[in-house]
Amino acid sequence: GQQLNQSPQSMFIQEGEDVSMNCTSSSIFNTWLWYKQDPGEGPVLLIALYKAGELTSNGRLTAQFGITRKDSFLNISASIPSDVGIYFCAGRGFTSGTYKYIFGTGTRLKVLA
Amino acid sequence: KAGVTQTPRYLIKTRGQQVTLSCSPISGHRSVSWYQQTPGQGLQFLFEYFSETQRNKGNFPGRFSGRQFSNSRSEMNVSTLELGDSALYLCASSLASGRAPGELFFGEGSRLTVL
Repeated sequence: GQQLNQSPQSMFIQEGEDVSMNCTSSSIFNTWLWYKQDPGEGPVLLIALYKAGELTSNGRLTAQFGITRKDSFLNISASIPSDVGIYFCAGRGFTSGTYKYIFGTGTRLKVLA
Repeated sequence: KAGVTQTPRYLIKTRGQQVTLSCSPISGHRSVSWYQQTPGQGLQFLFEYFSETQRNKGNFPGRFSGRQFSNSRSEMNVSTLELGDSALYLCASSLASGRAPGELFFGEGSRLTVL
């Protein structure tokens, strides 16, 4: 199935460090969403982006809708142990004849105290 | 307000059986979509319903089907279960459908194990 390229796949960082991850697509999207998923749970929506160039924050999280509309970035500042989990991006656009969301492959974040 | 509710949370079936999963969207949301999540394939789109009509369908065999009721609640059914159907099945609801952008809210999922 279709998936967006998301990098890095995983990262180990020290508590207090900043984290950056991104998603890229070959298609243009009109929406980018970022999620966090804990083991055995459903993804929780963190940030929604609707316009190219838009920069939105949610606490220590900041995400940007890329100018080309084909990428998006998520930054986490001053990471804490509870930031551990898998982060997913999702882009919505016209793909294979229909509008739908396509998800990234996920970034597994581990924070070392 | 209440989030997306999925039942059951966990279930175990054997090959050849069928299963029905249920999803109640956030109040006021008329769009419900279903996804299959596995470690190897990630989140894969199954289908989307809006106002009781299937709007989109992913690339899954006909054994996977769904429906939406007039109160926006949705069910998905998998017939003749195979081992590869073991996965976390996630339901998501949204205010928007079609071209309109919108936020997608997920339930906690139904973990299906096929033995």
